[in-house]
Amino acid sequence: EPEVTQTPSHQVTQMGQEVILRCVPISNHLYFYWYRQILGQKVEFLVSFYNNEISEKSEIFDDQFSVERPDGSNFTLKIRSTKLEDSAMYFCASWTSGPSYFGPGTRLLVL
Amino acid sequence: GESVGLHLPTLSVQEGDNSIINCAYSNSASDYFIWYKQESGKGPQFIIDIRSNMDKRQGQRVTVLLNKTVKHLSLQIAATQPGDSAVYFCAENIAGRGGADGLTFGKGTHLIIQP
Repeated sequence: EPEVTQTPSHQVTQMGQEVILRCVPISNHLYFYWYRQILGQKVEFLVSFYNNEISEKSEIFDDQFSVERPDGSNFTLKIRSTKLEDSAMYFCASWTSGPSYFGPGTRLLVL
Repeated sequence: GESVGLHLPTLSVQEGDNSIINCAYSNSASDYFIWYKQESGKGPQFIIDIRSNMDKRQGQRVTVLLNKTVKHLSLQIAATQPGDSAVYFCAENIAGRGGADGLTFGKGTHLIIQP
């Protein structure tokens, strides 16, 4: 069974600090996504990425957020200056055809 | 407003019984629907999907029904097992988008399987 992996599993940071969340999508997938889930709330779409550029982003994905595929395997989400309300589970997903696969998530806590 | 939502936050069924989880959506432009299962500490796991040109699709022990007239989606799980205990989300996206692109998720229904 293919799987998406994410690191770290947990991250605690101080407000205003930068964080980078890392994902390794399934190797032959071409489309990559970030979602977040604030505790007790719905899973929310952040951004989709294809062919080395953002193809779609939500209102949540403001200038504090950026994504990158620095090499052939990693897909990262950077939050430039974290806010308290950025505390959430962040899920990476990937897809080319058939089912989409989500990673296990990174739990981010901003203090 | 909320485009996709679930009627019941918790559903408790006896092991071996069938369960039905419901979902309502409001965006008429939605044409692709997915059910995900999320176990504690894990990410959403794809269960089954359906496009709007179908009204029923079956998988292994699961069936998804789509009623476009009333904008209603349901997930039927046959012969529930303890491993089916999880939160189930429906998700939708609009025409032309595939995979996990721009999905709108519902709040989730917690399915509890009792022995």
